[in-house]
Amino acid sequence: SAVISQKPSRDICQRGTSLTIQCQVDSQVTMMFWYRQQPGQSLTLIATANQGSEATYESGFVIDKFPISRPNLTFSTLTVSNMSPEDSSIYLCSLLPGQGAEAFFGQGTRLTVV
Amino acid sequence: GDSVTQMEGPVTLSEEAFLTINCTYTATGYPSLFWYVQYPGEGLQLLLKATKADDKGSNKGFEATYRKETTSFHLEKGSVQVSDSAVYFCALSPYSSASKIIFGSGTRLSIRP
Repeated sequence: SAVISQKPSRDICQRGTSLTIQCQVDSQVTMMFWYRQQPGQSLTLIATANQGSEATYESGFVIDKFPISRPNLTFSTLTVSNMSPEDSSIYLCSLLPGQGAEAFFGQGTRLTVV
Repeated sequence: GDSVTQMEGPVTLSEEAFLTINCTYTATGYPSLFWYVQYPGEGLQLLLKATKADDKGSNKGFEATYRKETTSFHLEKGSVQVSDSAVYFCALSPYSSASKIIFGSGTRLSIRP
């Protein structure tokens, strides 16, 4: 199993500002994933973060809004830029060790934009 | 494309009642299937999984059987407890790719004492 430490666990931010969320993994993983969970909704994949290359974004998500860094095999950050109240969600990082394996999740960051 | 359809919630039951949460999927090949649980204020954790047809995943009294003929993976528990109150997500990992997990919409379960 893998342990993912995600921070901050929650934050309240002013609109127009940016927040960077960090995820640290206790082992080396090739791919990490960032999800958004809007209030009362399921998880939506934002992007896949590969070490040493640009993240791959899902439809509806763009790099300018959600820049991602992956400087090494144990760490990744997601920035939510120029925030609006519509960005209020839980953001989760995740890793998938391999095909058919279970995914591991960070504890989530509960973001409220006011 | 691959997808997961999950029973709409919320579901409210009395303690010791029988639970079924329906889940069906659409996928090519032989995906792995999962149930994840999200307790209030926490992240997601794996509840159980099955990686091939007719496999039964089980954990904490919950069970689900991988039914390829009906493309289903229904979650069941014979006697629920108040501590089972949570949101439950059915999910699949496509055979063709290790890079995504596709989630259902989630079912919020509340158990009355």
